[in-house]
Amino acid sequence: DAKTTQPNSMESNEEEPVHLPCNHSTISGTDYIHWYRQLPSQGPEYVIHGLTSNVNNRMASLAIAEDRKSSTLILHRATLRDAAVYYCNPRVQFYFGTGTSLTVIP
Amino acid sequence: DVKVTQSSRYLVKRTGEKVFLECVQDMDHENMFWYRQDPGLGLRLIYFSYDVKMKEKGDIPEGYSVSREKKERFSLILESASTNQTSMYLCASSLADISNEKLFFGSGTQLSVL
Repeated sequence: DAKTTQPNSMESNEEEPVHLPCNHSTISGTDYIHWYRQLPSQGPEYVIHGLTSNVNNRMASLAIAEDRKSSTLILHRATLRDAAVYYCNPRVQFYFGTGTSLTVIP
Repeated sequence: DVKVTQSSRYLVKRTGEKVFLECVQDMDHENMFWYRQDPGLGLRLIYFSYDVKMKEKGDIPEGYSVSREKKERFSLILESASTNQTSMYLCASSLADISNEKLFFGSGTQLSVL
């Protein structure tokens, strides 16, 4: 099964960019890399996903390494509302780890 | 927008009771999932279903069963609740399209077993 490794926690100053890393070295060639975030007292919500190319949407950008063994979620300007737990999740397994708890400092 | 609805936000049950957690989605998704979430352990997959009447075990199926009689509804059953099943339970659904298989989650059910 594909496994992911993420830092337990990260901090960022408000309005600065944040780069959240994820290692998924056992990912298969057809696995899309998904990112979710969970705000306090809510279920996780979808953020972004991609296969090989970098992806952008209104919430974030996703940078995928050329060998696909790692990816980085980029929040271009962190806001207080971005404080959450962020999970990366290769498609096939649908197994989530403990994610990265992001603290945004005003 | 996709809506995944879990029947209860909070539930309190006694040890040994049979407990049903219900989940309904309104977007005709093929896939449905049940997770539990505990502090320090993240989200762990209990069961999932790719189609009506089909089910697959996840990481931690022991002590649980599931039922999917209709496409939109996926039920999690605790046959005899125990205190170690006190947890937040999250239901999710997704399309079966590999290029667009993003998960939509419900708000969760906080179950306390006394």
